[in-house]
Formats: sequence, structure tokens, C-alpha cells
Amino acid sequence: ETGVTQSPTHLIKTRGQQVTLRCSSQSGHNTVSWYQQALGQGPQFIFQYYREEENGRGNFPPRFSGLQFPNYSSELNVNALELDDSALYLCASSSYLAGPRTDTQYFGPGTRLTVL
Amino acid sequence: AQKITQTQPGMFVQEKEAVTLDCTYDTSDPSYGLFWYKQPSSGEMIFLIYQGSYDQQNATEGRYSLNFQKARKSANLVISASQLGDSAMYFCAVVTGKLIFGQGTTLQVKP
Repeated sequence: ETGVTQSPTHLIKTRGQQVTLRCSSQSGHNTVSWYQQALGQGPQFIFQYYREEENGRGNFPPRFSGLQFPNYSSELNVNALELDDSALYLCASSSYLAGPRTDTQYFGPGTRLTVL
Repeated sequence: AQKITQTQPGMFVQEKEAVTLDCTYDTSDPSYGLFWYKQPSSGEMIFLIYQGSYDQQNATEGRYSLNFQKARKSANLVISASQLGDSAMYFCAVVTGKLIFGQGTTLQVKP
């Protein structure tokens, strides 16, 4: 069974640029969630995708957008990067059919984004 | 709105001893799930244990057990027989569709 994978591992961008982060979900999972984790903080929910549609969103501006593909992999896009976007971005996959209150989310290793 | 509170920023424990990490939560949903995750310095979030709000028994997974007190809205993690590899950041989270995390507790296991 393949776990959740993310690419790239590290990324350095400058303010104003755009970035795309990628995530492949665990085998058998159909739901992908994205989280932002600033240094020393707990992860913050960005959004979730189920059946290629956004299925819930946290308190993040529209310049954070995403996609889910038919194979359940996902992308997180961030436009007009700001210094505060520097963080660890975590992707988690789960099986929505298990129920939104019981499905365990399994995380990938994360992408560390630095904005200069 | 859901909220998780972890009041212990850092904890120390001697190897082979047990340790309890505190977590209180606040949610108005009658049905919810509680999770504990471990995050080593590498950054990956590792799932440890799950407790459903309607579960009658406290959850256990190997050396991990969850002391669930629903009336007090607390879900403390107990790690028995601590090992050096248990040194990490530990997060409590509540799910009602999306995961809401606490601020985390750093655990250091001393040899």
C-alpha cells in the first residue's frame, strides 16, 4: 500500500510569485485535505477536495486554490506569495465514505515553502 | 466553532516511564472524532489513535491509550513505557468534517 506523497520537498520563492504543490493520495482514498503549518504552531485547515470538488474551506484568501484529479491526486496553488506564506504545507488523504467524523486522515511528509 | 487546547507546551519523561499529555476540546456538534498525531522533527504527521464521541470504551493502540472524559471534554493521551523514539511534537485534533488542531506539546524522553 502506497502512502501519501508530496512534491517538492522544499521550495524557495520570492514575494509575488506563484507556486504549485502536489500531493498523491494513499491507495483507496478519495479525499484530500490541505493544511498550512507555521513554525511552532498546529496545522491550519486550508481546504478539502472530494470527487474533484472543494468540500470545505478554512479561513484562507482566494489566492489559495486547489484541484483534485480523477485519480484523487491534488494540487495546491498559491498566487501572489507573501512572506507570511512561508510554512510547512501538509496534504492528508482519507476515505470520505467512512464518514466525515470518523475518517482518519493520513498525512504526507509535507512541502516546506520559504518566501523571500 | 471547534477548539482544541493543549496546555503543556513541553514535557519531559524518563525512558520506560508513562506520560500523560493533556487535551481539552470544545465543540457544539454532538457527533465528532478525536485524534492524536505525532510529529517528529522530520515534519510528517503520524496518526496514533482515534476516539469517536459515541464510543463507550477508551481507545487503545499498543502503548498509546486515550483517557476520554466526555463530560469534561477532555481526551488525554497516555503513552506507556516511553522510548527515546517517542521524543516529538504531539497534536490533539477534533474532526467534524475538517481537522482542528491544538498548539501541540513537545515531549522529550530522557535516557
